[in-house]
Amino acid sequence: KAGVTQTPRYLIKTRGQQVTLSCSPISGHRSVSWYQQTPGQGLQFLFEYFSETQRNKGNFPGRFSGRQFSNSRSEMNVSTLELGDSALYLCASSSLIGVGETQYFGPGTRLLVL
Amino acid sequence: SQQGEEDPQALSIQEGENATMNCSYKTSINNLQWYRQNSGRGLVHLILIRSNEREKHSGRLRVTLDTSKKSSSLLITASRAADTASYFCATDGSDGNKLVFGAGTILRVKS
Repeated sequence: KAGVTQTPRYLIKTRGQQVTLSCSPISGHRSVSWYQQTPGQGLQFLFEYFSETQRNKGNFPGRFSGRQFSNSRSEMNVSTLELGDSALYLCASSSLIGVGETQYFGPGTRLLVL
Repeated sequence: SQQGEEDPQALSIQEGENATMNCSYKTSINNLQWYRQNSGRGLVHLILIRSNEREKHSGRLRVTLDTSKKSSSLLITASRAADTASYFCATDGSDGNKLVFGAGTILRVKS
């Protein structure tokens, strides 16, 4: 099976712009989660989607949003970018819908905000 | 906020030696997982241990879990240069597949 794919891999934006990141989960996986990784805050949970519904949300401002499509692909959007949004954004998928099940991560999208 | 805290923050060993990393967490869990990350890339899942398990093995990896102390350890035996990476423990949140990660241990294996 192909792994989790994320596009684009690298992105440079300027403050105030918005950005959309895409994630394709492993075939058959219906749960998709997003994480932000920065040197200062480490890995932080953004949100989880299952069957097109947001199942869980982390402590991020409303500028961060996401959605999931019927084919389980997911997108996350960040509006009005700030310098502090520079980070590695990781997407993960899971085949199980329990609590704390194994997550399979993509390679990430590295976002730089200038 | 981070629930898991790894110790040590960094570890440097010679190839062939064993590496032990520890993780402590704060609240009750269903599962605890360990992940590896190479040079800012995606995370690779290593092992999941459930709260009713005390020890688990996978190849050169051995994970222990002590729920009374809210701690876990990851032992990598006979380390290789390719094991050089950051290692993270992750615990589950109150629901869903949300994972709460620790700050990680940077392991360097010198050849």
